[in-house]
Amino acid sequence: EVQLVESGGGLVQPGRSLRLSCTASGFTFGDYAMSWVRQAPGKGLEWVGFIRSKAYGGTTEYAASVKGRFTISRDDSKSIAYLQMNSLKTEDTAVYYCTRDQSHGYYDILTGYLPLGYFDLWGRGTLVTVSS
Amino acid sequence: DIVMTQTPLSLSVTPGQPASISCKSSQSLLHSDGKTYLYWYLQKPGQSPQLLIYEVSSRFSGVPDRFSGSGSGTDFTLKISRVEAEDVGVYYCMQGIHRGTFGQGTKVEIK
Repeated sequence: EVQLVESGGGLVQPGRSLRLSCTASGFTFGDYAMSWVRQAPGKGLEWVGFIRSKAYGGTTEYAASVKGRFTISRDDSKSIAYLQMNSLKTEDTAVYYCTRDQSHGYYDILTGYLPLGYFDLWGRGTLVTVSS
Repeated sequence: DIVMTQTPLSLSVTPGQPASISCKSSQSLLHSDGKTYLYWYLQKPGQSPQLLIYEVSSRFSGVPDRFSGSGSGTDFTLKISRVEAEDVGVYYCMQGIHRGTFGQGTKVEIK
């Protein structure tokens, strides 16, 4: 079965760290970019960041709200993507979704933008609560 | 950052009637590769989001043909030709040309 399963969520104090995992199955994980998306309680969706496949350099990009605090990595041999979250804040409280990202584009020749693909597969999410 | 603005934020629709959601971006979503990186997602109650439309107007596999997307540059629209009970949920547009930004979401309910 083609699926993504997130794990590692829980309650953590402000300023501490947490690492989320996203385990993929049913497809060739290494061929795809992976994005993380979060949703604060009762709020809308927020893109967190992505990592491209090794074929596209394994490039990472992040939302401004998490840049410098969060790091995305991948282990293609285990079909797992990670989201390392440091210096957590109360506003990071959310359900974190892992998604398969159909990103195959290149940098825009004028703007330098690197496009995301569409997210065609989502996990069920894992809840991260940052509170003292 | 690119800002995505959806209207309306909520919609109450009689089954069988059409519905339309507008999405405007603060910058053009047209890439030099010729693609426009605008997507539509639906989050049904209690579920993870699911992809409906990619690159403005391409329906994802399994999405009913009553859903259609249109637009260009900075102005986009999602239309449901005849709303059904299973279409309830929150609809989000998202730009993918530079990092990622979702619209605020449009909650669709059945009258």
